[in-house]
Parts: sequence; structure tokens; C-alpha cells
Amino acid sequence: QKEVEQNSGPLSVPEGAIASLNCTYSDRGSQSFFWYRQYSGKSPELIMFIYSNGDKEDGRFTAQLNKASQYVSLLIRDSQPSDSATYLCAVNNYGQNFVFGPGTRLSVLP
Amino acid sequence: GAVVSQHPSWVICKSGTSVKIECRSLDFQATTMFWYRQFPKQSLMLMATSNEGSKATYEQGVEKDKFLINHASLTLSTLTVTSAHPEDSSFYICSASPDRAKNIQYFGAGTRLSVL
Repeated sequence: QKEVEQNSGPLSVPEGAIASLNCTYSDRGSQSFFWYRQYSGKSPELIMFIYSNGDKEDGRFTAQLNKASQYVSLLIRDSQPSDSATYLCAVNNYGQNFVFGPGTRLSVLP
Repeated sequence: GAVVSQHPSWVICKSGTSVKIECRSLDFQATTMFWYRQFPKQSLMLMATSNEGSKATYEQGVEKDKFLINHASLTLSTLTVTSAHPEDSSFYICSASPDRAKNIQYFGAGTRLSVL
């Protein structure tokens, strides 16, 4: 059974700090990796996707992928209170359905 | 781009009635749409994959006769919860992918269903 694991948190960081969110997956054939942000009572919003090993940066967000270790992470620099949300990691093999992790709840303290 | 519209955003109904939820891709064609259910403080649970012009593929444990899915066009999929009961109360979210190969899913705003 394909699994995606995340620390449920809550992860608390002070405003301005770097938040580091981690995700591991079991399916070695996974090809694409996604991070979604979900505010309470709202639907998920795509933040980033990454396909290749290494880092991918977009503004304050950096996704890091290590396929050998089956590990993907999301770094949020200069964290803001508005970043407080649940972050969902999703993994899939091309043409197959997503497998979502349980999410990590992030709390950025002013 | 990649906007997915879901309607209604909130519905309250009596037990035993049916509720239809619509999901539309506004600026792209989606051969595949997905329906999820999310209970409070839990992650997304895929209910079914909706393919345009063919029958939906349901995940194990999801009753296909209770959750009717129709994907009539490349931009519209509907989920009908038939004979709703209080235990069906949940947050239902659809998503659509403009590129099945890359499978980037964009989500609708979700529908909160409350069955009295």
C-alpha cells in the first residue's frame, strides 16, 4: 500500500523564522510531488510541485526532493502569521491518483 | 489560469433527500476530475475518479449507488449524494487536472454538507 507520512504537528515557529516541513513516501516509483496549503474550513491550494531531485525555489518557498531517500520537504522563509495552516504533501506516479499525507499543522507565532 | 469552480459552497438538507454538487473547470478542459471527502481534522480521502464520457472509478468502500458521479463534458462533473443521512455530513471537494500526465490537481472551493 502506497503511503505518505508527515508529522502532524503542530509545528510552531516564531514570525520571521524558517519553517521546515517534511514528508516521506513509500512508493519508489513516484514521479511528481506536490505541496498544498489548506486553511481551516477551506480547500487545498497548490503551493509548489517538484519532479527532479534537488531544490526548487518560488518566492519564500523552497521544495527539496531526494528520491533516493524518498523524502520531500518544504521550507518557508520569513514565516508570517498568514502562513499558519495545514500543509499537505501529495505524491503520485504519472497517470495514477494522488496519495495525500495526513498534513502538518503549522503555527507561526507573532 | 487553472480555476475550478464548485457549487454550492454550503448546503443543509433533511435526511433522506438528495444533494447535487457541481464542479466546473473554468479555463481548461479536464478529462479527469476527482472527488474527495474530508472529515474534521482529517486528511483528504479520495472517493472517486471521474472520467469524461465514461463511468467513474470508485475507491474501495465508497458506495457507487449512494454517491452518483456524472462527467457529462470536459468541464463539468457532478456528485449526487442520494438519500443523505447525518453520517454523510462532511466537506466534499472536487479537483481537476489539465494535464493527466503531470497530474497537477487544482481544487474547487469545496462544499460543506450538513444533513439534519
